[in-house]
Amino acid sequence: DAMVIQNPRYQVTQFGKPVTLSCSQTLNHNVMYWYQQKSSQAPKLLFHYYDKDFNNEADTPDNFQSRRPNTSFCFLDIRSPGLGDAAMYLCATSRQGYAYDEQYFGPGTRLTVT
Amino acid sequence: AQKVTQAQTEISVVEKEDVTLDCVYETRDTTYYLFWYKQPPSGELVFLIRRNSFDEQNEISGRYSWNFQKSTSSFNFTITASQVVDSAVYFCALSEAGARKSTFGDGTTLTVKP
Repeated sequence: DAMVIQNPRYQVTQFGKPVTLSCSQTLNHNVMYWYQQKSSQAPKLLFHYYDKDFNNEADTPDNFQSRRPNTSFCFLDIRSPGLGDAAMYLCATSRQGYAYDEQYFGPGTRLTVT
Repeated sequence: AQKVTQAQTEISVVEKEDVTLDCVYETRDTTYYLFWYKQPPSGELVFLIRRNSFDEQNEISGRYSWNFQKSTSSFNFTITASQVVDSAVYFCALSEAGARKSTFGDGTTLTVKP
């Protein structure tokens, strides 16, 4: 089945230790998104790629970076995780990123910072 | 600026009861799209429905129905004869024409008790 895959599902890292979360998709969608979701809150968009074009949200901290080496893969790098970065990180895709395109989500990676 | 409000933070019902989840939105655009997503305990958001601003026709899909009213800027979601499997967090989202991203409401946590 075509899908959005996130690895790992659970990640524990130490305060200040860089961590990378990965996302892959078999949908061949043009757009990939990274969201941060904390308990009982809406997903908060960090950035998205429209093909190779990177689009950062204005309020995304510099601590968060992303790479998209090809259509299928996208990575979220947290350079120096703080306790406040503990959250669920959701990857999503959409076909062309048009306003009417629905998003397809992965199962998320739950990040714990110790 | 666009905004989505889901005033009901949590709703608890007993199985077979009908339940309506409210969604109120704000936008200055005349062309926009509204979505509902379901996030079960497993974490993966699942697309349920899309509506464009020019189509106020209500929609029914099995036990699910949606009522879109531009006059009140609302896009409410009703589950008829609720089941335990309907327990999840439900998000309403809005995309303005030309935007490659959606604004999500804070979600409504629905618990259906047997």
